Amino acid sequence: NAGVTQTPKFQVLKTGQSMTLQCAQDMNHEYMSWYRQDPGMGLRLIHYSVGAGITDQGEVPNGYNVSRSTTEDFPLRLLSAAPSQTSVYFCASSSQTSAGELFFGEGSRLTVL
Amino acid sequence: LAKTTQPVSMDSYEGQEVNITCSHNNIATNDYITWYQQFPSQGPRFIIQGYKTKVTNEVASLFIPADRKSSTLSLPRVSLSDTAVYYCLVGNTDKLIFGTGTRLQVFP
Repeated sequence: NAGVTQTPKFQVLKTGQSMTLQCAQDMNHEYMSWYRQDPGMGLRLIHYSVGAGITDQGEVPNGYNVSRSTTEDFPLRLLSAAPSQTSVYFCASSSQTSAGELFFGEGSRLTVL
Repeated sequence: LAKTTQPVSMDSYEGQEVNITCSHNNIATNDYITWYQQFPSQGPRFIIQGYKTKVTNEVASLFIPADRKSSTLSLPRVSLSDTAVYYCLVGNTDKLIFGTGTRLQVFP
């Protein structure tokens, strides 16, 4: 029962570097999304996808790219990392029939120096 | 998009019932109301979901009035392990935006 798997769990980047946070789910969920959570704050939606080939912007999409080539995978790309992107990133998935019942990964803690 | 408003924090003692209310005045007809629990360094975990009236499961109850502009999560007989942040989420499987959450502290 893997559920939602995120890699890496921890990452340190220098300003300007690029990287990809990986997210995979094995529940055949149509909906996937990425959130960021800053210390003491709530979750903010970055990007989401309602199915393979379909992505859309959330609340805070700037500086991030996503793609959804398969149902299982939803990678989040940071094109040129900035210190403001230091955060914990959570990937989540949901079935289209479950109306918002999200399953979350364990999170990826990113530090940009 | 329905914006949600919750109290920032609440305190309780073990064994008491805790009710956390969420306001969502702009809820849409096809929106569901879902509550999550989050412990430090973990992703949120689903607690309960409802559309209208009352829903109960093994850990909580959810009360939704007829106008659906608010909802109340009820945690019966809380324990220390219920200390966490609780989020109310309103929407369907679309642009799901969390509010700021309610930090519940349970004391012995």
